[in-house]
Amino acid sequence: GEDVEQSLFLSVREGDSSVINCTYTDSSSTYLYWYKQEPGAGLQLLTYIFSNMDMKQDQRLTVLLNKKDKHLSLRIADTQTGDSAIYFCAEFEPDKLIFGTGTRLQVFP
Amino acid sequence: DGGITQSPKYLFRKEGQNVTLSCEQNLNHDAMYWYRQDPGQGLRLIYYSQIVNDFQKGDIAEGYSVSREKKESFPLTVTSAQKNPTAFYLCASSEIPGGAFFGQGTRLTVV
Repeated sequence: GEDVEQSLFLSVREGDSSVINCTYTDSSSTYLYWYKQEPGAGLQLLTYIFSNMDMKQDQRLTVLLNKKDKHLSLRIADTQTGDSAIYFCAEFEPDKLIFGTGTRLQVFP
Repeated sequence: DGGITQSPKYLFRKEGQNVTLSCEQNLNHDAMYWYRQDPGQGLRLIYYSQIVNDFQKGDIAEGYSVSREKKESFPLTVTSAQKNPTAFYLCASSEIPGGAFFGQGTRLTVV
């Protein structure tokens, strides 16, 4: 079956790095995504990684993929208060997107 | 501007009433999706469509119906058979590998 799991909460100090983790179960997933959701809004696509890549960097964001362990992580460098939101990972299966439970990131001064 | 538009932003439904949520995209994407989000929870897939005139049930399709008569439009009807419809509904469209783009959501409340 399909299941994408994330820890529910993460709290970090402003200026520190944040690492949000995700595990997925479908080894055939070709693309994996990270989304950000602010209160009362839709989801914003942050970045994605193809399954044949190990790492992707995009400004303050670094995505690491360990296919053997089916583990995906998102690192946010120099975390700011504006990064406070819920972060979802998602995997693309043959014809649909399956989302994780979301991780609420709280940034404190 | 290209994007995906959901309307209305807020919707109130009386017991036993059917309501329809609108979702329109001008991104020329083939695939469209409807998700339900409950407070403090993740997204659950209701229905999805890969091409016009075709759609498939997701994990929680009971009490919902959809149509896909045009590429741009994928309306969702919440029927009276859905016993607990109060939730935040999100529509998305996608073209692989770029990922899905979401509308701003419709918050449905039963009164």
